[in-house]
Amino acid sequence: GQQVMQIPQYQHVQEGEDFTTYCNSSTTLSNIQWYKQRPGGHPVFLIQLVKSGEVKKQKRLTFQFGEAKKNSSLHITATQTTDVGTYFCAILSGGYQKVTFGTGTKLQVIP
Amino acid sequence: EPEVTQTPSHQVTQMGQEVILRCVPISNHLYFYWYRQILGQKVEFLVSFYNNEISEKSEIFDDQFSVERPDGSNFTLKIRSTKLEDSAMYFCASSFGRTGRYNEQFFGPGTRLTVL
Repeated sequence: GQQVMQIPQYQHVQEGEDFTTYCNSSTTLSNIQWYKQRPGGHPVFLIQLVKSGEVKKQKRLTFQFGEAKKNSSLHITATQTTDVGTYFCAILSGGYQKVTFGTGTKLQVIP
Repeated sequence: EPEVTQTPSHQVTQMGQEVILRCVPISNHLYFYWYRQILGQKVEFLVSFYNNEISEKSEIFDDQFSVERPDGSNFTLKIRSTKLEDSAMYFCASSFGRTGRYNEQFFGPGTRLTVL
């Protein structure tokens, strides 16, 4: 099945710095989703991208889907301590019923 | 706001015992899922369920696992004979649909299963 890899695995930033996580696939994707999981919490859906080159923004978060639909990124501007958690990209497949999660990027924000 | 609930929050069991993890999906949702997450690792899909039958399952979901929707509100995951490697956080999720803006999956808080 399709797999996605994420980099970096971990990222420590000073509060106020920007943060970016990247998601890569060797095959063309029909969609990409992003989730956030707070420490000790459950995955929370953030967004879904389906179009080549698509860019979506949610406040300080910017999501991009690559032109070739093989990669995606999540960029957070001016991180805050509330941004701490693990960010997963994911693929919806199997008749749109199976979410395959990436390896995740764990973000730590230093106040 | 409607949410998925799961019970218990933590289950400790002896190897070889049967466990049943319970979930109450969001009431008007039609698609139900189980995922697991071994500590420090990524979330892994186990099974999806629609119209009272399994619609998709992963290679992890072998004969030791079963799912059931015994009534109109509960969705359960049974592990018949637990193994040490079944120790993980188990998340239930539900969605209203499977395409477009209806395919967002809402996850419950999870049940931490510890097999001794």
